[in-house]
Amino acid sequence: QQKVQQSPESLSVPEGGMASLNCTSSDRNFQYFWWYRQHSGEGPKALMSIFSDGDKKEGRFTAHLNKASLHVSLHIRDSQPSDSALYFCAAKNTNTGKLTFGDGTVLTVKP
Amino acid sequence: EAAVTQSPRNKVAVTGGKVTLSCNQTNNHNNMYWYRQDTGHGLRLIHYSYGAGSTEKGDIPDGYKASRPSQENFSLILELATPSQTSVYFCASGETSNSDYTFGSGTRLLVI
Repeated sequence: QQKVQQSPESLSVPEGGMASLNCTSSDRNFQYFWWYRQHSGEGPKALMSIFSDGDKKEGRFTAHLNKASLHVSLHIRDSQPSDSALYFCAAKNTNTGKLTFGDGTVLTVKP
Repeated sequence: EAAVTQSPRNKVAVTGGKVTLSCNQTNNHNNMYWYRQDTGHGLRLIHYSYGAGSTEKGDIPDGYKASRPSQENFSLILELATPSQTSVYFCASGETSNSDYTFGSGTRLLVI
């Protein structure tokens, strides 16, 4: 069973619109979460992390974590074509320190 | 600038041949990781290391070996390559603490 599940698989938003990506973990050992972004032909790059309940905002990006439900989301406001990429949710196991990735959400921002 | 460098960038191998993928990091991180990326499967952990001389099995280690001869270098070895190992392989470095990983640019491997 996939321990980190992302939805939707793909998402298309107009330039300037809001993109919302979701992630749920099925393992309570996963307490720390990251969002990674991967542009075509490149390796994933960490976008932002969130470890505490509530919202964390960095520029146009806002992450939200609910530890009780192990749900984390990423919201991108004023989406730009350069935001088009594959977005991964990743969760760290507090016992092993290993990072487990979801299958990713493909975001397309149309001009 | 601290970085993770992978070589080669692209590789074509024959079935049954030996393949070695190399990774070098200048981040001075203790931990290094090898992932493979396939459509529909995201990133899956193959092997990882906590430091020079150590290697640990990840979630999908079968058919792969790893070697960590130094803090900076971590290799992934396919002793008998199979077409099912055709994939994009990423190396990453990081710490056990709550810091993010730094990934290399990947190696695209085709086994024919």
